[in-house]
Amino acid sequence: SAVISQKPSRDICQRGTSLTIQCQVDSQVTMMFWYRQQPGQSLTLIATANQGSEATYESGFVIDKFPISRPNLTFSTLTVSNMSPEDSSIYLCSVSQSRGHEQYFGPGTRLTVT
Amino acid sequence: DQQVKQNSPSLSVQEGRISILNCDYTNSMFDYFLWYKKYPAEGPTFLISISSIKDKNEDGRFTVFLNKSAKHLSLHIVPSQPGDSAVYFCAARGKATGANNLFFGTGTRLTVIP
Repeated sequence: SAVISQKPSRDICQRGTSLTIQCQVDSQVTMMFWYRQQPGQSLTLIATANQGSEATYESGFVIDKFPISRPNLTFSTLTVSNMSPEDSSIYLCSVSQSRGHEQYFGPGTRLTVT
Repeated sequence: DQQVKQNSPSLSVQEGRISILNCDYTNSMFDYFLWYKKYPAEGPTFLISISSIKDKNEDGRFTVFLNKSAKHLSLHIVPSQPGDSAVYFCAARGKATGANNLFFGTGTRLTVIP
């Protein structure tokens, strides 16, 4: 399985500001995803990061709030914009190869918004 | 609407005994099911999976059972070891919504008592 790293591992931010989270994979992968895990909740898919094109967002998530980039097959960023305390969550990226069904997750970014 | 449910938030088991973690789902279009294990401050780690065309898959100490008529799956760990203490998530792939979108349950915290 691929080795996935995320930066930062955690951050404390003020409301109204934005934070960009990076996801780096040690090998080329077909698919990359961004999830959110709010306190006490399950993992919820935010969007699929598409290489060279706009991300595909799930219901309830919009590009203005969560802009995503994926410039190549090993790297993606998620920005949490105009943050409020409700955005306090763990944000995780995951990857999958086209032939496989499993997704492999990064260590997550713990975000606290004050 | 939670399509994948884990109704037991926690489970305690003695070392050497069997651990049984349960998961229910509502969407009959799910075609692939997975279990993930998550330690604190780490991302979920893929554990074992099962296709909807099977009713059992075994990998070492881990066995997953699928009962499609009941829309229920379970993960058996035997014998349980203290290192198995973690949060376990079941997940399902929605065939109709995309190749790799996963829907997660809320997790069950397993504690294996030495």
